[in-house]
Amino acid sequence: QVVVTQEPSLAVSPGGTVTLTCGSSIGAVTSGHSPYWFQQKPGQAPTTLIYDTTNKHSWTPARFSGSLLGGKAALTLSGAQPEDEADYYCLLSYSGARRIFGGGTKLTVL
Amino acid sequence: EVRLLESGGGVVQPGGSLRLSCAASGFTFNTYAMNWVRQAPGRGLEWVSTINGDGTGTFYPDSLQGRFAISRDNRGNTVSLSMRRLRAGDTAIYYCARGRSASGRDNFDFWGQGTLVTVSS
Repeated sequence: QVVVTQEPSLAVSPGGTVTLTCGSSIGAVTSGHSPYWFQQKPGQAPTTLIYDTTNKHSWTPARFSGSLLGGKAALTLSGAQPEDEADYYCLLSYSGARRIFGGGTKLTVL
Repeated sequence: EVRLLESGGGVVQPGGSLRLSCAASGFTFNTYAMNWVRQAPGRGLEWVSTINGDGTGTFYPDSLQGRFAISRDNRGNTVSLSMRRLRAGDTAIYYCARGRSASGRDNFDFWGQGTLVTVSS
């Protein structure tokens, strides 16, 4: 049973920078896992921020970026805003079209 | 504008069945895979099922194979999820999400607002 791991919680100051990571229990995360990142605010449906490691949708604020870092997928927020306070989920794809979400990171902006 | 509207949620007894639907608009439906993702109360997201654009390929996590079935109607622009032998652990908000391509191998870009399924006696 593959487990995708994320930091349970992180905090960042307004205007600051924070990096969220996404690891795989069976080895390094690569671009082949097509990492996705989603943002979910309380009471709302998720929205897709990043797809295929680094790509942004038209609605993704420029302050968010995706990368691979130290064998993990990473989501970096540069210049945090109060409205960025939310839960963030990563998603990795495995063989056989399996998809596994990470447990989520609760990001606090304070 | 892409719109996804889920329906069919409600309260069902353990062991019962339920069918969810998602009505899609704003895009050429049969050129995109469709997906279901669920979220139990206070918990994280869980991928439930995927169907490719022409409906010939369906995918499930091992844990749900055999109880859940996804289907689509490309004339009516709807995707459905049939759930049977429901248990308390299936209680969740069920989201419909569009895939980024027809293949079913890409993940999600647009999401619906979800429909709540409660399994309780």
